[in-house]
Amino acid sequence: GQQLNQSPQSMFIQEGEDVSMNCTSSSIFNTWLWYKQDPGEGPVLLIALYKAGELTSNGRLTAQFGITRKDSFLNISASIPSDVGIYFCAGSRAGLTFGKGTHLIIQP
Amino acid sequence: SAVISQKPSRDICQRGTSLTIQCQVDSQVTMMFWYRQQPGQSLTLIATANQGSEATYESGFVIDKFPISRPNLTFSTLTVSNMSPEDSSIYLCSVGLLETQYFGPGTRLLVL
Repeated sequence: GQQLNQSPQSMFIQEGEDVSMNCTSSSIFNTWLWYKQDPGEGPVLLIALYKAGELTSNGRLTAQFGITRKDSFLNISASIPSDVGIYFCAGSRAGLTFGKGTHLIIQP
Repeated sequence: SAVISQKPSRDICQRGTSLTIQCQVDSQVTMMFWYRQQPGQSLTLIATANQGSEATYESGFVIDKFPISRPNLTFSTLTVSNMSPEDSSIYLCSVGLLETQYFGPGTRLLVL
C-alpha cells in the first residue's frame, strides 16, 4: 500500500525560529495536504497543493508540491506559541494517505 | 470548506456495549469518511460512507464491527459494536470536497 514518510517525528525549537518538515513517498499523489491537530481536536486543513511544483503560502506557512509528485514540504516562519501541535501531511489519490505526524514543541 | 459536528464529543463505555457516533455537515456532500486515530498515532481510514448504498470498508475493518449509515447527503453514523479496550480511540468523520478532506472535531472513546 501507499506509505508516507514524514520527518522529523518531533521538533523542539525556540520561539521565533523557523520550522521545516517534509513528507516523501514512493508513490505519486494528485494532491498534497497539510493539517494541524491540536489536543482534543480534529485535524484542521492548513494548505492544499494541487499541482506539481506548486508553492503556496498561508500567512507564515509555506508549502510546496514536489516536482516529482512524490514529496512535499511545509515551512513555518517565526514560530509562535500557538504553532504547537501535531502536523500531518496527507497525499491524495483515490483517498487520503497520512504521514505519522510531526510533533512541534516550542520553548519560550 | 464545510462545518462538521460530531456527537458525542467523548464517552466512556463498558466493554461489550456499542456506541453510535453521529456526524452532521452543514451542506450536502457526496463523500463522507470515517477514520480512527489510536492514541499517539496517525489517522487510519475505516470506511467510505456512500449515500444510498453500502459503505466501503478498508482492509482490517468489517461491517459487523463498524456498521455505518448514510441516510442523506448531510448525515452519517458510525457504530462501534461489542467494544473492547482496544477500541479506545478518537473517531473522526470527514467530508471530501474536490481532492481535499475536512474533518470533524472527533469523538474520544474510552472503553473500560
